[in-house]
Amino acid sequence: NAGVTQTPKFQVLKTGQSMTLQCAQDMNHEYMSWYRQDPGMGLRLIHYSVGAGITDQGEVPNGYNVSRSTTEDFPLRLLSAAPSQTSVYFCASSLSGTGGYEQYFGPGTRLTVT
Amino acid sequence: AQSVTQLDSQVPVFEEAPVELRCNYSSSVSVYLFWYVQYPNQGLQLLLKYLSGSTLVKGINGFEAEFNKSQTSFHLRKPSVHISDTAEYFCAVSEGGGSNYKLTFGKGTLLTVNP
Repeated sequence: NAGVTQTPKFQVLKTGQSMTLQCAQDMNHEYMSWYRQDPGMGLRLIHYSVGAGITDQGEVPNGYNVSRSTTEDFPLRLLSAAPSQTSVYFCASSLSGTGGYEQYFGPGTRLTVT
Repeated sequence: AQSVTQLDSQVPVFEEAPVELRCNYSSSVSVYLFWYVQYPNQGLQLLLKYLSGSTLVKGINGFEAEFNKSQTSFHLRKPSVHISDTAEYFCAVSEGGGSNYKLTFGKGTLLTVNP
């Protein structure tokens, strides 16, 4: 299993540009999520999905869109990039339900917005 | 709403010394508790978790944590650290049952092990 994969690893955008961060998992996990990590802030939840066709907002959703058309993929779209979105983005997946399941994290995408 | 406080942002220790990384949480419902580790330029991986039962939880790489409900704490310990334990450690909480996949993270503790 490849686990959780993210592309690209690094990206530089200019203010106002749009882009999509890709995330895929091959573990048949129902739950997928996106976090951003900023120095001294820990990880903050952006959006999450409990299955294909179902998404919801997390703690910091503004400026980001998601969709979930398949179990495997959960892309994150930046509609109009801003310098405040400079961050490291992590995708994670897990089984869903009441079992307190481990979340598996991808290697991250480091985004710089100039 | 739940929250997590990691009391130390940085903890420097010498190799083979014991270490404790402190974590307190607040929640109005029962919780699941987790410790994740992030090595430089990598994603996070699970060290250990507490769901229910014994309050002392053992994880990978010789780490353990103790759940203390009365003090709402979940401190991480290791009796003897190695250089390779240098990493950032995150405490996280989710609701027990229900939406237990939504994690709230602390701000992290950077553990630096010096020779």
